[in-house]
Amino acid sequence: GQSLEQPSEVTAVEGAIVQINCTYQTSGFYGLSWYQQHDGGAPTFLSYNGLDGLEETGRFSSFLSRSDSYGYLLLQELQMKDSASYFCAVGGATNKLIFGTGTLLAVQP
Amino acid sequence: GAVVSQHPSWVICKSGTSVKIECRSLDFQATTMFWYRQFPKQSLMLMATSNEGSKATYEQGVEKDKFLINHASLTLSTLTVTSAHPEDSSFYICSARAGGNEQFFGPGTRLTVL
Repeated sequence: GQSLEQPSEVTAVEGAIVQINCTYQTSGFYGLSWYQQHDGGAPTFLSYNGLDGLEETGRFSSFLSRSDSYGYLLLQELQMKDSASYFCAVGGATNKLIFGTGTLLAVQP
Repeated sequence: GAVVSQHPSWVICKSGTSVKIECRSLDFQATTMFWYRQFPKQSLMLMATSNEGSKATYEQGVEKDKFLINHASLTLSTLTVTSAHPEDSSFYICSARAGGNEQFFGPGTRLTVL
């Protein structure tokens, strides 16, 4: 089967750095993506890793290790608006995405 | 970025009726669209891949006769929930790729079956 595991909840304070981990077991692998979803809203794309290493996009960075079937999303300089659910997703054949279990991030003042 | 719309944004229906949800790519053509279902405080579950001009590909455990998908054009896919029951109440979201690695998601349709 396919599974992507994430911590269910993370709490951090404004200005801090937080790391959200994702471990996966999938039958095919076409890259690891990260999406943010505010309550009741649509997922929005944050980052993509097709190869091992670190990708940086502003305050957000994402890391991938294909040999370890592991990746993480790093959020720096946390802001209150970053409070949301974060999902890792593995790309499969035909471009479909399989989503992880999701992490609810709560940013406190 | 590319824009995907969904209609309606929310719908309430009686048990046993059918509901159609539309997904449109507004500024790009999408030969493939995807339909997801999300229950409260849970992840997105891929239901099916909608292919323009051919039959949809359903994920394991998804009833193709209950969730009818039609991809009539390069910008429109529809999901019809047939004979809806309360357990079908959920948030239904479509997505498409416009080239590149990013998938663009519609705003979702919240279905409530009474």
